[in-house]
Amino acid sequence: ETGVTQSPTHLIKTRGQQVTLRCSSQSGHNTVSWYQQALGQGPQFIFQYYREEENGRGNFPPRFSGLQFPNYSSELNVNALELDDSALYLCASSLLAGNFEQFFGPGTRLTVL
Amino acid sequence: TQLLEQSPQFLSIQEGENLTVYCNSSSVFSSLQWYRQEPGEGPVLLVTVVTGGEVKKLKRLTFQFGDARKDSSLHITAAQPGDTGLYLCAGDRKGAQKLVFGQGTRLTINP
Repeated sequence: ETGVTQSPTHLIKTRGQQVTLRCSSQSGHNTVSWYQQALGQGPQFIFQYYREEENGRGNFPPRFSGLQFPNYSSELNVNALELDDSALYLCASSLLAGNFEQFFGPGTRLTVL
Repeated sequence: TQLLEQSPQFLSIQEGENLTVYCNSSSVFSSLQWYRQEPGEGPVLLVTVVTGGEVKKLKRLTFQFGDARKDSSLHITAAQPGDTGLYLCAGDRKGAQKLVFGQGTRLTINP
């Protein structure tokens, strides 16, 4: 059984740029959630995708967008990067939509300069 | 304001001591989950509690869900250096499409 994988591991961008982060869900899981974890904080929910449709969104502006593909892998896109977007971005997959037990990937560390 | 408040935020104790971490809220949750996160890695699920008053044990770790399903605790007996990490509680509220995390408790066990 393959776990959740994310790419890239680390990324450095400058203000105003755009970034795409990628996630492959655990085998058999059809739901993917994205979280932002600032240094020293708990993860904050960005949004969830279930069967290629957005299934819930947290308090993040529209410049945070996502996609889920037929194989249940997912992308997180962030436009017009700001310094405060610097964080660890976590992807989690689960068997069911909603908030059932989630399995996290190792995260992508994004630094915005 | 955090929906889930964890305390303490930092804890440093000696190997062999016992400790308790608390996760409190004014809201009712359908379930509460505890995760452990190590530097450079994603959180790893330790346990899910779903019934008020439920107690679950995982070796030296004991998890309890409050009777009113508003709070939870994690107790570690005879802590070991391998228990060092960030412990996160996360709650699932009925009808909400998101998991809410506490800010975490950073635990350090000194040899």
